[in-house]
Amino acid sequence: GESVGLHLPTLSVQEGDNSIINCAYSNSASDYFIWYKQESGKGPQFIIDIRSNMDKRQGQRVTVLLNKTVKHLSLQIAATQPGDSAVYFCAEEDSSYKLIFGSGTRLLVRP
Amino acid sequence: DARVTQTPRHKVTEMGQEVTMRCQPILGHNTVFWYRQTMMQGLELLAYFRNRAPLDDSGMPKDRFSAEMPDATLATLKIQPSEPRDSAVYFCASARNSGRRDEQFFGPGTRLTVL
Repeated sequence: GESVGLHLPTLSVQEGDNSIINCAYSNSASDYFIWYKQESGKGPQFIIDIRSNMDKRQGQRVTVLLNKTVKHLSLQIAATQPGDSAVYFCAEEDSSYKLIFGSGTRLLVRP
Repeated sequence: DARVTQTPRHKVTEMGQEVTMRCQPILGHNTVFWYRQTMMQGLELLAYFRNRAPLDDSGMPKDRFSAEMPDATLATLKIQPSEPRDSAVYFCASARNSGRRDEQFFGPGTRLTVL
């Protein structure tokens, strides 16, 4: 079946350092992936997406990398700030165009 | 700015009571999703609508849950009767077009506690 998971439940980084959040997916047929950020008490918020015909996509301070060979997705945040503290989810679009979310990684930014 | 709204934000009720959660999608968005978030199961899709028609409700317990879109500006999720295991945060999200590869905008959620 299709599933999306994360390697690390909690990541603690120093303010100003770069953060890397990882995600594994199981459905090799998936062709669209999204990263969401969820702050406490709020709904998930879209960060960045990537299609399977790409290996890398950059946004403002964020980069998503896709390795289809090992079915791995990562989110890189440059110069991590206190406002980046949140839970981050990767999501995979299944064949029915529905999103399947991973379990989430909590990012804690130390001042 | 345009955003998805949900009411109520918090609901505490007793087992057996009916619960109705409401969602107003972003104006012009024609796809609406209902998700449930728990610590154990994470974020799960319950049902979604396109142009007010239900397309998939396979994630929803049919015996007690029902979802409707009375009009384009209102989506409802009802639980009757509610059970303690229904305690969760329920999110509504909307998307502009087909829903595929269209960014889903989430509401703030309704935190439901069933005693």
